[in-house]
Amino acid sequence: NAGVTQTPKFQVLKTGQSMTLQCAQDMNHEYMSWYRQDPGMGLRLIHYSVGAGITDQGEVPNGYNVSRSTTEDFPLRLLSAAPSQTSVYFCASSSLKGGPQPQHFGDGTRLSIL
Amino acid sequence: DQQVKQNSPSLSVQEGRISILNCDYTNSMFDYFLWYKKYPAEGPTFLISISSIKDKNEDGRFTVFLNKSAKHLSLHIVPSQPGDSAVYFCAAPPGAGSYQLTFGKGTKLSVIP
Repeated sequence: NAGVTQTPKFQVLKTGQSMTLQCAQDMNHEYMSWYRQDPGMGLRLIHYSVGAGITDQGEVPNGYNVSRSTTEDFPLRLLSAAPSQTSVYFCASSSLKGGPQPQHFGDGTRLSIL
Repeated sequence: DQQVKQNSPSLSVQEGRISILNCDYTNSMFDYFLWYKKYPAEGPTFLISISSIKDKNEDGRFTVFLNKSAKHLSLHIVPSQPGDSAVYFCAAPPGAGSYQLTFGKGTKLSVIP
């Protein structure tokens, strides 16, 4: 019962490098989202998707791109990493059926930008 | 402007006693609230939720109370156990039909044996 799987778990980048954080879910959930957690800031929404081919911006989208080509996968791309993007990133998913549903989270990717 | 506020960054409670974690919100359109628990190096885990049509929801040792007039909710854990030591987040979607969650900053609960 995998749920939401995030890879990698840890990553160190240099300023200006690019990378993709992977997120996959096996629950056939329509809704997927990316959050970042910074000390004392709680979780802030970066981007979200309500289905394949549909994405939208959250509270803090600048510097990040997303795409949703399949129901299962929702990768987050950093095109040119900046030290301000040092954070812990969480992917989450939920069903859109039957009213509000709790979101299921992955275990996070810890990203450091030097 | 923070729409979901958890004003206590930390709380310490003796094992066996009651833990009360508080959350305030500013948006009267919020009609569904969730509590998540987070251990270090893990993702948040859903704990309990409440709809605005209720004022209480109970699940085992965990009870959430909602006071709509005060725009306040609280999570009660009775009895508290050392395994409950974690960061607790209050969250809400911005309105009916929305799925994005707005999170509070969290309260770190320490249950002392």
